Amino acid sequence: ETGVTQTPRHLVMGMTNKKSLKCEQHLGHNAMYWYKQSAKKPLELMFVYSLEERVENNSVPSRFSPECPNSSHLFLHLHTLQPEDSALYLCASSQDSFNQPQHFGDGTRLSIL
Amino acid sequence: GEDVEQSLFLSVREGDSSVINCTYTDSSSTYLYWYKQEPGAGLQLLTYIFSNMDMKQDQRLTVLLNKKDKHLSLRIADTQTGDSAIYFCAERSDYKLSFGAGTTVTVRA
Repeated sequence: ETGVTQTPRHLVMGMTNKKSLKCEQHLGHNAMYWYKQSAKKPLELMFVYSLEERVENNSVPSRFSPECPNSSHLFLHLHTLQPEDSALYLCASSQDSFNQPQHFGDGTRLSIL
Repeated sequence: GEDVEQSLFLSVREGDSSVINCTYTDSSSTYLYWYKQEPGAGLQLLTYIFSNMDMKQDQRLTVLLNKKDKHLSLRIADTQTGDSAIYFCAERSDYKLSFGAGTTVTVRA
């Protein structure tokens, strides 16, 4: 599905680096989400934005900082990450934040050295 | 609670039907979803069912919902090699989607 595009697809960074993940949706949706997918664990919801306002911060450490400049774009700014932060980070969007299904991007595979 | 549980593995012969089961705990769930994830890809929405329905059919896919037992199943008819993937069950309550750990389906010739 190309409705939700994530870049980069792969990212390797050291613990002291600062990087950003980008998500763009072309579906005209009003809600966007960040999830973390680690091996052998269920998907973990990190952040929810509805109409560019954050409505959920699911106890995520402050080294992850989201930004939603408009309803089509979502960023996840990363700094001082830990090895346990290595995972697949998935972005999703939905028409609204309550009833409509979420559509996912292909994710960014993040590896922390 | 928002626990969603699935069996981890399913092996099925090509041409047979696959049945993937899921149980959930949140009785206030409004929608329940099935997603498919192939290697190196994100989650693809397969189908979903509103909580006041008990069955939904979409081509080879049949979803059954037993709300009393909080049990959801996905049946794939005439399973093909392209159906090999991880299948996730998810329940929705307000804006939150809670996912199971995923069932890895392997289709053998």
